[in-house]
Amino acid sequence: SQQGEEDPQALSIQEGENATMNCSYKTSINNLQWYRQNSGRGLVHLILIRSNEREKHSGRLRVTLDTSKKSSSLLITASRAADTASYFCATDASSNTGKLIFGQGTTLQVKP
Amino acid sequence: DARVTQTPRHKVTEMGQEVTMRCQPILGHNTVFWYRQTMMQGLELLAYFRNRAPLDDSGMPKDRFSAEMPDATLATLKIQPSEPRDSAVYFCASGLVGGRGTGELFFGEGSRLTVL
Repeated sequence: SQQGEEDPQALSIQEGENATMNCSYKTSINNLQWYRQNSGRGLVHLILIRSNEREKHSGRLRVTLDTSKKSSSLLITASRAADTASYFCATDASSNTGKLIFGQGTTLQVKP
Repeated sequence: DARVTQTPRHKVTEMGQEVTMRCQPILGHNTVFWYRQTMMQGLELLAYFRNRAPLDDSGMPKDRFSAEMPDATLATLKIQPSEPRDSAVYFCASGLVGGRGTGELFFGEGSRLTVL
């Protein structure tokens, strides 16, 4: 069963614009992670934010976490055509198992 | 670069046939996961192992699916007999969990299964 619900399901923007994707989850978490998947490929880890963190940056990526609202957002700034992919949030509810439950994902299209 | 290797990348088979998918996790990782991805259900966790021991396989249809780790370099997912509803992309992922583990998972490129 899915832990995360992502919004929007699909997003189309022009190159250079910012893209924001949101994720909501249901249970308490140890950490939340974002992954990227190019068409026909495996998932690639982007960033991890722990439950005691509120914001994290990595290059053009900015992730926020609001545990009171059980939600997270991923912001990609100055998007490029190469950012076109599906983006998934995944929650780890236990520090012992590493088990990740994935959301349904947001499909991002960046037009050149 | 260390990577998770999955074989086969593509498999087309007929209903009722046995299918075995293989995964070589990254050396040094202590946890291996099997996920299934479909358009309708998204990414579903089927089973996972810690130090080769099965921790949880509650996501798998028990009557036809089995997962094993015969050694640290090989994880297998077997479907017998296969059914058309098993058509999906099956991903193996490995990670270092606990201790100095980062918590991130490394995914293989997947095995795309089509059951006719």
